[in-house]
Amino acid sequence: NAGVTQTPKFQVLKTGQSMTLQCAQDMNHEYMSWYRQDPGMGLRLIHYSVGAGITDQGEVPNGYNVSRSTTEDFPLRLLSAAPSQTSVYFCASTRRTDRLGLFFGPGTRLTVL
Amino acid sequence: AQKITQTQPGMFVQEKEAVTLDCTYDTSDQSYGLFWYKQPSSGEMIFLIYQGSYDEQNATEGRYSLNFQKARKSANLVISASQLGDSAMYFCAMREGGGNQGGKLIFGQGTELSVKP
Repeated sequence: NAGVTQTPKFQVLKTGQSMTLQCAQDMNHEYMSWYRQDPGMGLRLIHYSVGAGITDQGEVPNGYNVSRSTTEDFPLRLLSAAPSQTSVYFCASTRRTDRLGLFFGPGTRLTVL
Repeated sequence: AQKITQTQPGMFVQEKEAVTLDCTYDTSDQSYGLFWYKQPSSGEMIFLIYQGSYDEQNATEGRYSLNFQKARKSANLVISASQLGDSAMYFCAMREGGGNQGGKLIFGQGTELSVKP
């Protein structure tokens, strides 16, 4: 079991560029989510999904798109990168019936110049 | 509105001593869950302990225990016999409502713990 995997680990973008952060899990978890971590602010929810074809917005969704075509994959798209999106991004997954919270990926450190 | 508050940005503890990390929360739900995660300098998020709002006993996991005071809305993490490897950022988090709520958690700002030899 690889758990939750994220690619890339590091990325530098210029303002206005677009890119996709990849996330995959091999635990057959129904729920997947994206968080961003900024200094002094903990983790904040960007988007989440309760199953293939179903997504919803979290606390800070602006500037990001998601889709979930399979149970395993949940990519996060930055449409037009801005310096305010410089952050560490975590993908997470969990089972529908699991009360033990989230399994996190290793994170992607994104810098937007 | 701030739902999870961790008032200690940084703390020091002597190796082998116990330490308490504070967490207060705010919710109007009767059913909720409280979590603690550890984030070492390598960056990964490690689940430590969980407490459900209806759990009658305080949660314990090895050297970690959760001091759950429902009336005060506090969920403090107690680490006994601190080790150098406990130096890390610690996050308190809450899931509101019953069920797994799509895996949605609300996080506090974190407390950075440093263990001194």
